[in-house]
Amino acid sequence: QVQLQESGPGLVKPSQTLSLTCTVSGGSISSGSYYWSWIRQPAGKGLEWIGRIYTSGSTNYNPSLKSRVTISVDTSKNQFSLKLSSVTAADTAVYYCARGGSQLLDLVYWYFDLWGRGTLVTVSS
Amino acid sequence: DIQLTQSPSSLSASVGDRVTITCRASQSISSYLNWYQQKPGKAPKLLIYAAARLQSGVPSRFSGSASGTDFTLTISSLQPEDFATYYCQQSYSTPPAYTFGQGTKLEIK
Repeated sequence: QVQLQESGPGLVKPSQTLSLTCTVSGGSISSGSYYWSWIRQPAGKGLEWIGRIYTSGSTNYNPSLKSRVTISVDTSKNQFSLKLSSVTAADTAVYYCARGGSQLLDLVYWYFDLWGRGTLVTVSS
Repeated sequence: DIQLTQSPSSLSASVGDRVTITCRASQSISSYLNWYQQKPGKAPKLLIYAAARLQSGVPSRFSGSASGTDFTLTISSLQPEDFATYYCQQSYSTPPAYTFGQGTKLEIK
């Protein structure tokens, strides 16, 4: 079955750029009508959606992070990636990649139906 | 921004209890509301989508409902594995600006 796995540095210095990759295994990132998202969770706190990408390259970002976020996709590697610039301690969190699936009922309903295990990124000098 | 407010923030209950968690949206979001369960150290798991649709493989003791801007997750008879934190999430915003509720921690009494 399809699985997601995050990878990247666990420690990033303040003001630098956080870079993470999500590898999709067990299926093609291009098959089906899915969006691919990044979501984060500071320790002991709630979930924050960062943004999403479609395999065409179309993106949407959380307005509160938009100026610092870039999400890209590499279909040849079955991966999508996150870059978050100018990080501070407030960006310390577990970062999840997730698949956005949908169901057509009366309208199209989107949800996150598949998640990676998450990776902890700490911002510290 | 669409805000989601969950109540209560925490809840103590016993195995076999019927439990209800509420999520209130700051504006109308139709039925664009999902529920997730998260256990410590694990990723969230989708339980309910479109306010009331049970995700495949999720036990039927979980159910969702909606009334206006109020959404409810009900667990009909708590099982030991149900003690976790529950989040609601809206997918109404266009362009997408998905937001989550602050979470409800369900603990064993």
